[in-house]
Amino acid sequence: GAGVSQSPRYKVAKRGQDVALRCDPISGHVSLFWYQQALGQGPEFLTYFQNEAQLDKSGLPSDRFFAERPEGSVSTLKIQRTQQEDSAVYLCASSSFVYEQYFGPGTRLTVT
Amino acid sequence: KQEVTQIPAALSVPEGENLVLNCSFTDSAIYNLQWFRQDPGKGLTSLLLIQSSQREQTSGRLNASLDKSSGRSTLYIAASQPGDSATYLCAVPLNTGTASKLTFGTGTRLQVTL
Repeated sequence: GAGVSQSPRYKVAKRGQDVALRCDPISGHVSLFWYQQALGQGPEFLTYFQNEAQLDKSGLPSDRFFAERPEGSVSTLKIQRTQQEDSAVYLCASSSFVYEQYFGPGTRLTVT
Repeated sequence: KQEVTQIPAALSVPEGENLVLNCSFTDSAIYNLQWFRQDPGKGLTSLLLIQSSQREQTSGRLNASLDKSSGRSTLYIAASQPGDSATYLCAVPLNTGTASKLTFGTGTRLQVTL
């Protein structure tokens, strides 16, 4: 595919469940970002990978959030023991060395 | 800490009108600024990226300007169409280097009416 893809597109989780969100970046893009977007707000940075190295995880809101990119391509964002405040759209973006970030369609997470 | 503000928060215009969306940022030490479009329930589509050395960038009916010294960028949309209805977000990178996390404004929700 030509763009960034994310799955699932929609996820409903009961409070306390664990969820895993997947991101497939554009082939060859070394940088991968995760953002969280609350309703009516702009996206907020969660974490950043360069290849398989997680270089910045300063935006992860709690230790319930964990991200990995073991082979430097696909990435997974995992949220343990989901809470209602985790309900948001989770966006993944990738970029090459020319700085412009390309975003996927997002995963809308609803915690009930 | 970089803060990005967009005004207005919402805008409704009749089809055919030209319009300007505003973006301001507090830390002028940026090396680019990116404008995005977001349709309801969708991800972000990159519209324009302006490097710090540029003052303007154009794509079709869109023109973005950047004034680093005053901490401002504008997105000009000419001859608006109903298909332009969406939320428009501006974003600036936080760090220098090969790739940087973006700080976003809260967006301007645009509706173009028939």
